[in-house]
Amino acid sequence: GEDVEQSLFLSVREGDSSVINCTYTDSSSTYLYWYKQEPGAGLQLLTYIFSNMDMKQDQRLTVLLNKKDKHLSLRIADTQTGDSAIYFCAESMGANAGKSTFGDGTTLTVKP
Amino acid sequence: DVKVTQSSRYLVKRTGEKVFLECVQDMDHENMFWYRQDPGLGLRLIYFSYDVKMKEKGDIPEGYSVSREKKERFSLILESASTNQTSMYLCASSLSDRPIYGYTFGSGTRLTVV
Repeated sequence: GEDVEQSLFLSVREGDSSVINCTYTDSSSTYLYWYKQEPGAGLQLLTYIFSNMDMKQDQRLTVLLNKKDKHLSLRIADTQTGDSAIYFCAESMGANAGKSTFGDGTTLTVKP
Repeated sequence: DVKVTQSSRYLVKRTGEKVFLECVQDMDHENMFWYRQDPGLGLRLIYFSYDVKMKEKGDIPEGYSVSREKKERFSLILESASTNQTSMYLCASSLSDRPIYGYTFGSGTRLTVV
């Protein structure tokens, strides 16, 4: 079945770049997503990438997709303390966004 | 602004009680989901629904049931609450034909069963 894996923790200094990595197993994944969860809150969609894309940039966020290796990454440039949160990678297949599979989340800690 | 609203932020219930967690969305989304989130275990799918009166079991449905009588409302029911159901419960919804929007999540209900 589908599986999405992420490292659990990442710590960076304010102003550095953060790179959060994710691997997935299902080669038929159509959409891949990054969500952010701040303490005590639900998840919020940050960005997505379609499986026929290699890269997507949105302000400080850069998503890279290596479809051959089934590897997804999220780069946050100029990381700020407000970026401290849990980041979830997720995948879904087909036109229906139903039943995405989520990774366990990477806790990003940004130190001043 | 689109919204998924969960009826309670914090809930404390006794073992054996029947517990209802309510979720309402105002976006006319077809799909709705219930997850629980536990430290070190990520998000685990309990039940989901693609349409009114439809429901599908997720990965951990035991001890839970759901109800979707109206499109906007998806209720999670703990038939007889147990201490191992103490968790954060997250409701989400999505459009069936707009995958680029992903899921919209509620703020969560932190349930403690004593």
